Amino acid sequence: EAQVTQNPRYLITVTGKKLTVTCSQNMNHEYMSWYRQDPGLGLRQIYYSMNVEVTDKGDVPEGYKVSRKEKRNFPLILESPSPNQTSLYFCASRPPLYNEQFFGPGTRLTVL
Amino acid sequence: DAKTTQPTSMDCAEGRAANLPCNHSTISGNEYVYWYRQIHSQGPQYIIHGLKNNETNEMASLIITEDRKSSTLILPHATLRDTAVYYCIVRGYSGGGADGLTFGKGTHLIIQP
Repeated sequence: EAQVTQNPRYLITVTGKKLTVTCSQNMNHEYMSWYRQDPGLGLRQIYYSMNVEVTDKGDVPEGYKVSRKEKRNFPLILESPSPNQTSLYFCASRPPLYNEQFFGPGTRLTVL
Repeated sequence: DAKTTQPTSMDCAEGRAANLPCNHSTISGNEYVYWYRQIHSQGPQYIIHGLKNNETNEMASLIITEDRKSSTLILPHATLRDTAVYYCIVRGYSGGGADGLTFGKGTHLIIQP
């Protein structure tokens, strides 16, 4: 089954404790993205990647890092999480043509 | 990317066709119209997209006016599982370059039994 998976699905952590949210897709897609969703603000793109070792900032990249060492994986790293990063996070992937994005199930992060 | 305007919410009876409008009067010639939906707190789901011709797939139909300033997403036989927020997004061809979709507030479609 074609899918995007994210782990963990839920995470409660404390300020400053480094964490990684993993994302993996099995569709051999070149493009992958991370979004966050906050009430009243909609979905906003954090980072995206057009292929292995090619990443770029989205609209709200501050406080986040990403890496793309393999085509299927695109982890999101929070080096020093803060409470304003409490949010619902989605990973997405798509093929090179058009913007038909496949989203993961989401990771609900709470930073205390 | 062009701005879109959608009604905040709509109701539709189960089994009837749900018609969701979207205005995008500033759309430019190379921009596509995409529709996504999001069922409560789940990941958004792609529905359909089009440039200027009407499109149909197994989920829905997309009708784009001749001047391309508005479009309508049609769910032909709505079910309770179609209750969701529906987003109309206008975006240029994404063969390369910046990738992000801009999700506005969308239309909250409620299917009534």
